[in-house]
Amino acid sequence: AQKITQTQPGMFVQEKEAVTLDCTYDTSDPSYGLFWYKQPSSGEMIFLIYQGSYDQQNATEGRYSLNFQKARKSANLVISASQLGDSAMYFCAMRVTDSWGKFQFGAGTQVVVTP
Amino acid sequence: KAGVTQTPRYLIKTRGQQVTLSCSPISGHRSVSWYQQTPGQGLQFLFEYFSETQRNKGNFPGRFSGRQFSNSRSEMNVSTLELGDSALYLCASSLNFLSVGSGNTIYFGEGSWLTVV
Repeated sequence: AQKITQTQPGMFVQEKEAVTLDCTYDTSDPSYGLFWYKQPSSGEMIFLIYQGSYDQQNATEGRYSLNFQKARKSANLVISASQLGDSAMYFCAMRVTDSWGKFQFGAGTQVVVTP
Repeated sequence: KAGVTQTPRYLIKTRGQQVTLSCSPISGHRSVSWYQQTPGQGLQFLFEYFSETQRNKGNFPGRFSGRQFSNSRSEMNVSTLELGDSALYLCASSLNFLSVGSGNTIYFGEGSWLTVV
């Protein structure tokens, strides 16, 4: 069975600092995709970044980068130069082919950026 | 290009009533999935539709049902509402339901906030 684990329920980070959000996953399928989403208090889930299991390089999207360590089955999100607008819930998710492509979400990490 | 549109955004229902939520996917997306989000249970997968057929189903009672139309728009219905059904219901769309590539990222709507009193 596939599983996504986010062990940090919440964290505070100071504006302009970098923050790393942990995500570990478990699957026996060699083909999978890893995704990160941001959910502000308004409720909408916003797609941030994607990493494929066969990708050789870590994904980057602006201030977001993904630290992908395949052997350790971890896909940590790094947000550089945090901004007040980064305060939100962050979800790690995985999609694998052997579960008919069903998305699995982690429990989420609440990030609060302070001035 | 328009995003995923969910209606209504907010609604209040009484126990025992039923509710229908609507979702219009991103143009060209043929897969629509639904999620329930509550503070206690987190994000839980309800079901996924592709080409008008349910392809995946979560562990929810039969009171929760859905359907997809030929234009890929989807509706979900909850009958005999219970207090515990109060939640944010999120709809998401993607190109298809099997591919795990970046081109098959799922994109979410703003959600429908349901309160059952």
